[in-house]
Amino acid sequence: GAVVSQHPSRVICKSGTSVKIECRSLDFQATTMFWYRQFPKQSLMLMATSNEGSKATYEQGVEKDKFLINHASLTLSTLTVTSAHPEDSSFYICSARTGGGDYGYTFGSGTRLTVV
Amino acid sequence: GNSVTQMEGPVTLSEEAFLTINCTYTATGYPSLFWYVQYPGEGLQLLLKATKADDKGSNKGFEATYRKETTSFHLEKGSVQVSDSAVYFCARQSGGYNKLIFGAGTRLAVHP
Repeated sequence: GAVVSQHPSRVICKSGTSVKIECRSLDFQATTMFWYRQFPKQSLMLMATSNEGSKATYEQGVEKDKFLINHASLTLSTLTVTSAHPEDSSFYICSARTGGGDYGYTFGSGTRLTVV
Repeated sequence: GNSVTQMEGPVTLSEEAFLTINCTYTATGYPSLFWYVQYPGEGLQLLLKATKADDKGSNKGFEATYRKETTSFHLEKGSVQVSDSAVYFCARQSGGYNKLIFGAGTRLAVHP
């Protein structure tokens, strides 16, 4: 089946530094990827929709200059948290549409970001 | 607006008990509906889905029926197991990119 590989699974960084999270579709082409953020014991909040070759569409309230999304190829989308602060600590999850008529979505395994 | 509301947890059951987790949605039209499961420390996995009214999604003993009259997609299982302990998310499609909108999640704990 369709697999989305997300790396790193865990990362600890210092305040003020930037962190890049990668999501790769391993056996299919993902024209659209979604980035979510999940706080402890809470639901997934959609941050942005990433489309290959174009600018990402951010949800209301999400700072596009802080959360940089790049979708340069059909198999790779990246989320960069710039100038990270402790309040950015969270679980970030990507998802890709596998396309077709079955509206399939595949999720990455998530990245636990801790900013110290 | 477009939203998903699911029952608050945690839900605590004994093994072999009957499970219902309620989910309702608001939408214009008939969006595809999903249940996802998140086991401790893992990402989301699709549990089941339904793409049109009156469809029944089923997987691993779980079922949910797309009810347009009540705008609901309740998750049920006749006999839960300890291994079903997880967080369950109801979701619907939304928008031109068919993004998924999730409910708040319901934590299920099954005890032997």
